[in-house]
Amino acid sequence: DTAVSQTPKYLVTQMGNDKSIKCEQNLGHDTMYWYKQDSKKFLKIMFSYNNKELIINETVPNRFSPKSPDKAHLNLHINSLELGDSAVYFCASSQEGLPNYGYTFGSGTRLTVV
Amino acid sequence: QQPVQSPQAVILREGEDAVINCSSSKALYSVHWYRQKHGEAPVFLMILLKGGEQKGHDKISASFNEKKQQSSLYLTASQLSYSGTYFCGTSGGYQKVTFGTGTKLQVIP
Repeated sequence: DTAVSQTPKYLVTQMGNDKSIKCEQNLGHDTMYWYKQDSKKFLKIMFSYNNKELIINETVPNRFSPKSPDKAHLNLHINSLELGDSAVYFCASSQEGLPNYGYTFGSGTRLTVV
Repeated sequence: QQPVQSPQAVILREGEDAVINCSSSKALYSVHWYRQKHGEAPVFLMILLKGGEQKGHDKISASFNEKKQQSSLYLTASQLSYSGTYFCGTSGGYQKVTFGTGTKLQVIP
């Protein structure tokens, strides 16, 4: 049983397109996150949701819109994709919103914009 | 601001020890440590909370000096399976964990 699952694993698309990445966790965690890992392996937080409520929204272009229909799901929709959006996007979850608990990461979605 | 890790990269022979350091410019509430193998997701190793505790399991342990805003990860008697990139993640008490610059560790036979 996969704890945090993301789909798709790979995504190749043209500039200007709109795409979505889905994430689901079956750990019963309250908090979910989206992180972006660039080519230099730098992991940067984008968004965080606690029980469907947006609690962290970093300086991310508004072309990126997260949605959490329930606390087990967190999706990421990206409009008007740009070359610079190419990266690996990781979904993660943790037991509570406080940073007392480790994160469980999904396997990642490698997005390539051409 | 992103925590700084040192060294950036290290090569070890099996059985050797290594120390990875993580330094923050901000006051810290907690420090996380993760290992990421190539093409995989980061995997949680341990968390240290404010109070200067040292934690560990197997041959991997860590310390947290909140006054110096630093943490160190200790790997003893390294095994091939220890290879990967190690990240520290720091938090000032809010819900966000900021990850460090990463340390690439390679263990060779």
